[in-house]
Amino acid sequence: SQQGEEDPQALSIQEGENATMNCSYKTSINNLQWYRQNSGRGLVHLILIRSNEREKHSGRLRVTLDTSKKSSSLLITASRAADTASYFCASQKGSNYKLTFGKGTLLTVNP
Amino acid sequence: DVKVTQSSRYLVKRTGEKVFLECVQDMDHENMFWYRQDPGLGLRLIYFSYDVKMKEKGDIPEGYSVSREKKERFSLILESASTNQTSMYLCASSLTGGTGRNTIYFGEGSWLTVV
Repeated sequence: SQQGEEDPQALSIQEGENATMNCSYKTSINNLQWYRQNSGRGLVHLILIRSNEREKHSGRLRVTLDTSKKSSSLLITASRAADTASYFCASQKGSNYKLTFGKGTLLTVNP
Repeated sequence: DVKVTQSSRYLVKRTGEKVFLECVQDMDHENMFWYRQDPGLGLRLIYFSYDVKMKEKGDIPEGYSVSREKKERFSLILESASTNQTSMYLCASSLTGGTGRNTIYFGEGSWLTVV
C-alpha cells in the first residue's frame, strides 16, 4: 500500500523563522492533505491540495505538490510557539476515501 | 463545526477482555474510520465504513472487528485484548464524494492500555 513519508522526523526552530516539512508518496494520488496534531490530541485538517494543483495557500501555510516527483512540502511562515505540534501528510488515491498517513514531523518552535 | 466524539479518553483493560471503543459523529457523514497511532509507526487504518452495516478492512484489521448499526455511530471491538493492542485509537469521519469534500475529521483519541 502507498505510504507518505515525511522528513525531517523532527525540526526545531526559533519563533519567527519559517518551517518547511516534506512528504513523499509512492503511487498516483487524487489529493494530498496535511494535518496537525497537538500532543495527545486528535488530528486537525490544515489544507488539501488536489493532484492537478501545484501550490495552495492558507494563511501562513503554503503547500506545494510535485506529482512528477511524488512529493509535497508544507511551509509555515513566521512561526509561533503555538505552531509546536506534529504535522502529517496523508494521501488519498482514486475514489477510495481512505487516507494513508505518513509518520509525521515533530515541529518545535522555541520562543 | 463537525464533532467526532469518542466515548472514552483513557481505558485500562486486562488481557483477554472484550473491549468496545465507541465513536459518534454529528454531521451525517457517510464514511467513518478507526485508526491506531503508535510511536514511530504513524497512523494505521484498522477498518472503515462507507455506509450503515458496511465495512471494509484497512491495513491492520487482525484482532479487531467493527460495528455500524446507525449512521452516526461506529464501534471498534477488540474481541480479546492483548498487550500489543496498547495504543492510541483515533476515530474519524468524512463525507462521500465531491471535490473538496474529502477532509477527514478526527476525534480526540482514546488511549487504551492493556495489562
